[in-house]
Amino acid sequence: QVHLVESGGGVVQPGRSLRLSCAASGFTFSNYALHWVRQAPGKGLEWVAVISFDGNLKYYADSVKGRFTISRDNSKNTLFLEMSSLRPDDTAVYYCARGLDPINRLFDYWGQGTLVTVSS
Amino acid sequence: QSVLTQPPSVSAAPGQKVTISCSGSSSNIGNYFVCWYQQLPGTAPKLLIYDNNQRPSGIPDRFSGSKSGTSATLGITGLQTGDEADYYCGAWDGSLNTVVFGGGTKLTVL
Repeated sequence: QVHLVESGGGVVQPGRSLRLSCAASGFTFSNYALHWVRQAPGKGLEWVAVISFDGNLKYYADSVKGRFTISRDNSKNTLFLEMSSLRPDDTAVYYCARGLDPINRLFDYWGQGTLVTVSS
Repeated sequence: QSVLTQPPSVSAAPGQKVTISCSGSSSNIGNYFVCWYQQLPGTAPKLLIYDNNQRPSGIPDRFSGSKSGTSATLGITGLQTGDEADYYCGAWDGSLNTVVFGGGTKLTVL
């Protein structure tokens, strides 16, 4: 079955960087787009970014554009989110999600999430 | 402020039916498929409806989706206490080239 496991979360100071990973199994990773979605404590869902199956197409939310970079390693079935210039309002649980095809059909399976806390 | 508009909360008695609305625009719901996600307390969201009205395998037919113009609706019949959760609609926005969500609707089964 489809399995997505995020890691790399933790407490980080404002202005610093952090890299999240999402390890996938149970499906042909290189055939699917992948998304990051976040949820601040007690708040709703906020989409962060998407990367196409081959890594050639990437889209970002305005709130993270220029600070976050989505990437993938199809040889290792792993998705990444490189986050820099972190701000307190980036504090959230970050989920990775498997995309439906094409990208504009959103996503089906989600991971369990990893918590990022930006605080001094 | 979410791009898609949902009521903050709805409630109904066990066994009854409830609907949750999701309003958008021609940039999103009007021209793209809608998904609905259920988030039980303390868990990750789960796909309930995709392509406006399709249920993934394992989702009971008590859950249904529909779309008309720039609005979508999630329907839940035969309400159970286990349906108490937050429900989110989502769609692609072709003007922003992003995914947009509703603010979420908290369902209470009285």
